[in-house]
Amino acid sequence: DAGVIQSPRHEVTEMGQEVTLRCKPISGHNSLFWYRQTMMRGLELLIYFNNNVPIDDSGMPEDRFSAKMPNASFSTLKIQPSEPRDSAVYFCASSFRGHNSPLHFGNGTRLTVT
Amino acid sequence: AQSVTQPDIHITVSEGASLELRCNYSYGATPYLFWYVQSPGQGLQLLLKYFSGDTLVQGIKGFEAEFKRSQSSFNLRKPSVHWSDAAEYFCAVGASLETGANNLFFGTGTRLTVIP
Repeated sequence: DAGVIQSPRHEVTEMGQEVTLRCKPISGHNSLFWYRQTMMRGLELLIYFNNNVPIDDSGMPEDRFSAKMPNASFSTLKIQPSEPRDSAVYFCASSFRGHNSPLHFGNGTRLTVT
Repeated sequence: AQSVTQPDIHITVSEGASLELRCNYSYGATPYLFWYVQSPGQGLQLLLKYFSGDTLVQGIKGFEAEFKRSQSSFNLRKPSVHWSDAAEYFCAVGASLETGANNLFFGTGTRLTVIP
């Protein structure tokens, strides 16, 4: 079991550029979550998917943020255009649906927007 | 609404000393409770979880936690801390979503420093 895999581990970009973060959930898991972690706000849920379908994106801060899950083994979080206040660590997590199973987290992507 | 409070932002203990990290939750139904640990540059790793049954739950790395419904608490304990336990600890309450998926609401975390 390779766990949840996120890429890249670090991303440094200039304001206005498009950023794409990637996530491969644990095989067999059918729920996927994107979280953002900052010193000021802690861990915030951005969006989650069930069986590849976005269920709740109310945590997505702005229209500049979008997420997709084209299949059960891949998801992306895109920021376009990026801004310095988007700098944070973005975590992807996956779990089994309806089994009260805990979330399994990836190691995160540290995003710095200059 | 669900919420989690970790009143201690930073705790320092000596290696070999006992540890207790506090967590209080707010949730309208029977909560699912979790403790996660985050080492620098890493994701969150599950230490232990409580769903039902015995209110004292054992986890990995020698940690345990006790669910106290009357106090709405789920404090994490370890009898003897090791230097490798230095990390950030997060308490979380789980909410079963309408779709059956589970979301977690996290506390703000407690940073543990271990001194030799």
